[in-house]
Amino acid sequence: AQTVTQSQPEMSVQEAETVTLSCTYDTSENNYYLFWYKQPPSRQMILVIRQEAYKQQNATENRFSVNFQKAAKSFSLKISDSQLGDTAMYFCAFIVHRGSDDKIIFGKGTRLHILP
Amino acid sequence: EAGVAQSPRYKIIEKRQSVAFWCNPISGHATLYWYQQILGQGPKLLIQFQNNGVVDDSQLPKDRFSAERLKGVDSTLKIQPAKLEDSAVYLCASSYYGGTRNNEQFFGPGTRLTVL
Repeated sequence: AQTVTQSQPEMSVQEAETVTLSCTYDTSENNYYLFWYKQPPSRQMILVIRQEAYKQQNATENRFSVNFQKAAKSFSLKISDSQLGDTAMYFCAFIVHRGSDDKIIFGKGTRLHILP
Repeated sequence: EAGVAQSPRYKIIEKRQSVAFWCNPISGHATLYWYQQILGQGPKLLIQFQNNGVVDDSQLPKDRFSAERLKGVDSTLKIQPAKLEDSAVYLCASSYYGGTRNNEQFFGPGTRLTVL
């Protein structure tokens, strides 16, 4: 079975600090994609960053970067210089390529509070 | 570009009643997804459409849930009859093409359903 585990249900950090959200996953597939989604209190889910499993280089999007360890099946998200607007639920997810269609599987999320 | 639209935003019903949710995806997006997000959990895929055909409905409780996308554009999700455990946020998402290997899923604001 494909699973995604986020071991930190809730985290709080001071504004401008760096925070790392952890994510581990389990799959026997070799062709898959990993994502971090952000869901602010307004509930609209938006994509933060994505990583192709076949790429060794870690993805980076401005203040957001990932540490992808394929052998360990680990995919953590680092937020640098955190801002109040980063307060949200963060979901780790991955897609297993099944041929003509893909199925995305989400973790249970980490609630992140950025404190002023 | 207009985002994914959903209505209603909130719905409160009593158990055994029926309810329907509506979703209008981003123009040109062939793939439409319905997710159920129970409080404290990540989204769970209920059904995935490619144009007007069903790609995956393996986690849809078909005895009470139904969904359609007759013209390959907007979609409705129905619950009949509702149970207490159906209380959740129902998210609709769309992507340009089936699968999200290279295409981002865009999420709507969701419909929060409360079953009393």
